[in-house]
Amino acid sequence: DSGVTQTPKHLITATGQRVTLRCSPRSGDLSVYWYQQSLDQGLQFLIQYYNGEERAKGNILERFSAQQFPDLHSELNLSSLELGDSALYFCASSVVAPKPTGTGIYRNTGELFFGEGSRLTVL
Amino acid sequence: DAKTTQPNSMESNEEEPVHLPCNHSTISGTDYIHWYRQLPSQGPEYVIHGLTSNVNNRMASLAIAEDRKSSTLILHRATLRDAAVYYCILKTSGNTPLVFGKGTRLSVIA
Repeated sequence: DSGVTQTPKHLITATGQRVTLRCSPRSGDLSVYWYQQSLDQGLQFLIQYYNGEERAKGNILERFSAQQFPDLHSELNLSSLELGDSALYFCASSVVAPKPTGTGIYRNTGELFFGEGSRLTVL
Repeated sequence: DAKTTQPNSMESNEEEPVHLPCNHSTISGTDYIHWYRQLPSQGPEYVIHGLTSNVNNRMASLAIAEDRKSSTLILHRATLRDAAVYYCILKTSGNTPLVFGKGTRLSVIA
């Protein structure tokens, strides 16, 4: 168990619809990342949030949007769904650890913890 | 992010050591070498990472070439549970995303 929780685990919907995927990061992790994995594209980075702010953007379509809330959970919104959006959507959060000197300044060790994914099927 | 090159697939016998190679000839001085694996129907899982020196943890060992242009992930005794896709990824330190390639699909034969 990575400590990252994603809901729903499975979702079936029709073309043209809109869905929201939810992610709860590990306790204390400030960064959340979203990835899409389809059979032909592999794992594609979509977007990253850090402490509520967008931090990095990858191959995210304009029909998709995300946000991170004050309690650090994140949602990925997918709209005007197409057949090609059928995929596994993974959320990850990153380890944030205090510096050994105890300065209170947090550093990122680079390790990402992934949830089990949300499988979206668009019919 | 600098690119890595891995074999598409490898096969190992159970309880034998496995050496998974990765080439990263364009690695920069600030790139860390990360390894993740993805078991069937699961999310990617962190395995190990390093910068210059060899690293060991409970899951695996990471051997890094002196010029850092290649590295090898070593599973000391492969089990059936180690059958997965293994990804070698270069990543700068700090709050940046991982960029996955195609990885190496490891099959373990009983």
